[in-house]
Amino acid sequence: DQQVKQNSPSLSVQEGRISILNCDYTNSMFDYFLWYKKYPAEGPTFLISISSIKDKNEDGRFTVFLNKSAKHLSLHIVPSQPGDSAVYFCAASGGRYGGSQGNLIFGKGTKLSVKP
Amino acid sequence: NAGVTQTPKFRILKIGQSMTLQCAQDMNHNYMYWYRQDPGMGLKLIYYSVGAGITDKGEVPNGYNVSRSTTEDFPLRLELAAPSQTSVYFCASRSRDFNEKLFFGSGTQLSVL
Repeated sequence: DQQVKQNSPSLSVQEGRISILNCDYTNSMFDYFLWYKKYPAEGPTFLISISSIKDKNEDGRFTVFLNKSAKHLSLHIVPSQPGDSAVYFCAASGGRYGGSQGNLIFGKGTKLSVKP
Repeated sequence: NAGVTQTPKFRILKIGQSMTLQCAQDMNHNYMYWYRQDPGMGLKLIYYSVGAGITDKGEVPNGYNVSRSTTEDFPLRLELAAPSQTSVYFCASRSRDFNEKLFFGSGTQLSVL
């Protein structure tokens, strides 16, 4: 049973427009959420995170929104650039209270293509 | 800073062979992880370690073994390789604090034929 779901395998966006990547989770014990970006033939790299005590975290062109009641988070990229083309993974952690040693549970990823 | 280094980058095994995937980190991180990524799937945790001498199973440990004799190294052993172990393997590490981000190696692409 998937605890972290990314229901869109792919997303295509025009350069300069907004990219919105979505993620849903089922475990209410998750208290920390992260987004990772992965280019082909490379390992994932950390992009941005958010704690469950917040509903928004912003870092430059990247903003993550968390809706705890809906168990939903989204990553907004504005403006999108061709170099943003990559696979984006959503991940969740139970932190100190999840009994999971802080291990991350990953979604299946969304492949973003930003067209010039 | 090298970060997390994985070797080899590519490997082809025959069914029944064994091999060790190497992982080393130079960030003095306590926590180390092995994940596998199958096509179109997310990363699944195989084994993890919270420090030298301490390892524990993740979600998909069958067919694998690990050891952690030093803080720096966390090798993953495949015994009796099977086609189901064809995957991309990622090693990762993080510091002791919860919610610290993971640092990943560049991966090992393994094919079992």
